[in-house]
Amino acid sequence: SQQGEEDPQALSIQEGENATMNCSYKTSINNLQWYRQNSGRGLVHLILIRSNEREKHSGRLRVTLDTSKKSSSLLITASRAADTASYFCATDEKHFNKFYFGSGTKLNVKP
Amino acid sequence: GAGVSQSPRYKVAKRGQDVALRCDPISGHVSLFWYQQALGQGPEFLTYFQNEAQLDKSGLPSDRFFAERPEGSVSTLKIQRTQQEDSAVYLCASSPGGGIYQETQYFGPGTRLLVL
Repeated sequence: SQQGEEDPQALSIQEGENATMNCSYKTSINNLQWYRQNSGRGLVHLILIRSNEREKHSGRLRVTLDTSKKSSSLLITASRAADTASYFCATDEKHFNKFYFGSGTKLNVKP
Repeated sequence: GAGVSQSPRYKVAKRGQDVALRCDPISGHVSLFWYQQALGQGPEFLTYFQNEAQLDKSGLPSDRFFAERPEGSVSTLKIQRTQQEDSAVYLCASSPGGGIYQETQYFGPGTRLLVL
């Protein structure tokens, strides 16, 4: 029943490198959100992008949204060990007013 | 200020036992959500409240699951006659307005339920 699918499922990079995660979804949406989850801080909202927006920035995060391809990407620049976490996209489905999380990308940033 | 809190943080139940999970949302938040998260998966929506009204309970997996928010603040998720497949982390989230998914949700730490 999860609409979003993240890719890759797991990603391991060195500190300082950029990390890119992708999310694909199936139906029309009102907005797409990215969340981070680690054992220390639980699930934390990172950024929300509306269906009429194409790109959004927040600090070291850059999110793009392509509604024609039903996909989004999250770029974390200059990664830090503290970015190690699972990242989930979540979509607000337009017609049925439902909210779905994807299965997540597990990011490991090696110091 | 205080975030969303949940209790207990961990619960071990014997199969067939009833459990009650509590969520204290951020004070003044109108919307409250419950999610179930299985190991290695993303959270799955269970139910949504706007104040005391349960506007969507379509994600509750069976009639053994029941949620309430009688005074529009604290919420309880009750699972009757627990089964092993109910083992998961149960997450509660709140958001300030009634715009349901149009805004940020603030999540609690979750209750990890293990049914033996």
